[in-house]
Amino acid sequence: GDSVTQMEGPVTLSEEAFLTINCTYTATGYPSLFWYVQYPGEGLQLLLKATKADDKGSNKGFEATYRKETTSFHLEKGSVQVSDSAVYFCALSERGSARQLTFGSGTQLTVLP
Amino acid sequence: GAVVSQHPSWVICKSGTSVKIECRSLDFQATTMFWYRQFPKQSLMLMATSNEGSKATYEQGVEKDKFLINHASLTLSTLTVTSAHPEDSSFYICSAWSPGADTQYFGPGTRLTVL
Repeated sequence: GDSVTQMEGPVTLSEEAFLTINCTYTATGYPSLFWYVQYPGEGLQLLLKATKADDKGSNKGFEATYRKETTSFHLEKGSVQVSDSAVYFCALSERGSARQLTFGSGTQLTVLP
Repeated sequence: GAVVSQHPSWVICKSGTSVKIECRSLDFQATTMFWYRQFPKQSLMLMATSNEGSKATYEQGVEKDKFLINHASLTLSTLTVTSAHPEDSSFYICSAWSPGADTQYFGPGTRLTVL
């Protein structure tokens, strides 16, 4: 079946550091890929998504590129802020719909001032 | 984005009692809602898919008689944990699927503690 593998956390960075959270996937078809963020005490929010190979999703300074050849969707941000501290989940859905999501294990990010 | 609410945000109950958790989509009609369970420092585990006006579809290993799901309207789904036991203590999260946006919108979650 489909699966998503994320780098294990926790990740601790200083403010303005560069962030990369690795995500790779296994799927039989051509999935859509997502990054969700969960701030403390809140529900998951969609951060960005990409629906086909070579697409780049971006939002709030975060970016991720759908790499079919390496089955990856790594999350990057050039300069993190304290407010980016949260848990980040990579996810996929088959058939291009977010109706049924498969999540990775989540990566806790803490940004120190 | 769209707003999904959950109530209560936290609940403590005694072993053997039942607890109902509500999930509401506040600004769109959701024919499909999902219920997840999240263990500490772990990912979300899909428990069931709730379809308005029909029976829920449960994932393998989830007891449908223990976790009763009702989706009586396009804006409300409920999860009832029946005869709760300490091992049912967890963080329960619902989401509502918006076909127009092709996006799941998540509620803030409900922390259940069974004593």
